[in-house]
Amino acid sequence: GAVVSQHPSRVICKSGTSVKIECRSLDFQATTMFWYRQFPKQSLMLMATSNEGSKATYEQGVEKDKFLINHASLTLSTLTVTSAHPEDSSFYICSVARGGTYNEQFFGPGTRLTVL
Amino acid sequence: QKEVEQNSGPLSVPEGAIASLNCTYSDRGSQSFFWYRQYSGKSPELIMFIYSNGDKEDGRFTAQLNKASQYVSLLIRDSQPSDSATYLCAVIGGSSNTGKLIFGQGTTLQVKP
Repeated sequence: GAVVSQHPSRVICKSGTSVKIECRSLDFQATTMFWYRQFPKQSLMLMATSNEGSKATYEQGVEKDKFLINHASLTLSTLTVTSAHPEDSSFYICSVARGGTYNEQFFGPGTRLTVL
Repeated sequence: QKEVEQNSGPLSVPEGAIASLNCTYSDRGSQSFFWYRQYSGKSPELIMFIYSNGDKEDGRFTAQLNKASQYVSLLIRDSQPSDSATYLCAVIGGSSNTGKLIFGQGTTLQVKP
């Protein structure tokens, strides 16, 4: 069965609005979750590492004020794309690592964001 | 130089043949190596992981790791049309020891009936 769920699976919004994406770990508690973005024909790029109870760690070039991450519990992390623009249209995928950051990561089904 | 490199393909093999997918990585301190399969429009799914030099087999899949050559491969035996997908090589644990998963650009595999 699924290890990680994401909601919504698909969202279309107008430019300037904010969109919240939820990522849930279903099988185990996750102190660390990861958020990736994938543009068409490209590989996954890590955006940020979400740490339960503390601030997220963002990758270079990712605006923390635009991509707000909240990891309030051991099974839920949220990514909010604030004031979305068409260039933010992408496939957003979260993942959880079982048993530590050096072990395999399991990916959620992804959220397809389209900003008009 | 990219941290993880893969030939983007497409790699085309006939049904029933062995598909060989290759990946090289630049950071000699890398510790964990993963192969994911991604169907179009879907998120990646884990196929195999390998930590030690040598071969690791799981069903029709064999991962091979050679740390001296900084090379990891995935063999798919008896390839099926349903194996047609993009295969992503990923690496964790380089010299910075951040635990971040670094992906290659992926190799597209086409298995022709």
